[in-house]
Amino acid sequence: AQKITQTQPGMFVQEKEAVTLDCTYDTSDPSYGLFWYKQPSSGEMIFLIYQGSYDQQNATEGRYSLNFQKARKSANLVISASQLGDSAMYFCAMREGNTNAGKSTFGDGTTLTVKP
Amino acid sequence: EAQVTQNPRYLITVTGKKLTVTCSQNMNHEYMSWYRQDPGLGLRQIYYSMNVEVTDKGDVPEGYKVSRKEKRNFPLILESPSPNQTSLYFCASSVGYVGLDTEAFFGQGTRLTVV
Repeated sequence: AQKITQTQPGMFVQEKEAVTLDCTYDTSDPSYGLFWYKQPSSGEMIFLIYQGSYDQQNATEGRYSLNFQKARKSANLVISASQLGDSAMYFCAMREGNTNAGKSTFGDGTTLTVKP
Repeated sequence: EAQVTQNPRYLITVTGKKLTVTCSQNMNHEYMSWYRQDPGLGLRQIYYSMNVEVTDKGDVPEGYKVSRKEKRNFPLILESPSPNQTSLYFCASSVGYVGLDTEAFFGQGTRLTVV
């Protein structure tokens, strides 16, 4: 069964510094996609970044990058130059592509607080 | 504007009274999914659909039904709601195929209370 583990319930970072949010996953499907989402206190879910299991390069989207280490089954989110508006809950998620194509699993989330 | 629209945003209902939460997307996405979010439990997938007339169970399908008669709509049906279905519900859509996904869109959420 697929599983996502986010080991950091809460993280603090100083404004303008970089922060890494950890995510490890487990799946036997060779084809899968990894997602990161942000959920601010207002409650909406905001897509941040996507990495496919066959992608050779780490995904980047502006200040967000995904440190994809396939052998270690990790997909850490790196936020560079943190801003106060980055304070939110962050979820890592995975969707399988073959055996259970479409089935998605989310981690429990990490609450990030950016300090001025 | 690309979006996923859920209705209603807020709903208070009584136990046993059938209800439907609608979800519509305007991006011609093949993949759509429903999640529920409960405090301390993160998001859990209820049902998903890879295409029209193709639906499958997620991790917590009990007490829910879905249908996908057309590509843009994916309603969530609670035939006989119970208080343990009080939750925040999200609908989402994306292209759907690993390797082609570049972005996933979520609806604004529906906060359901069953009394």
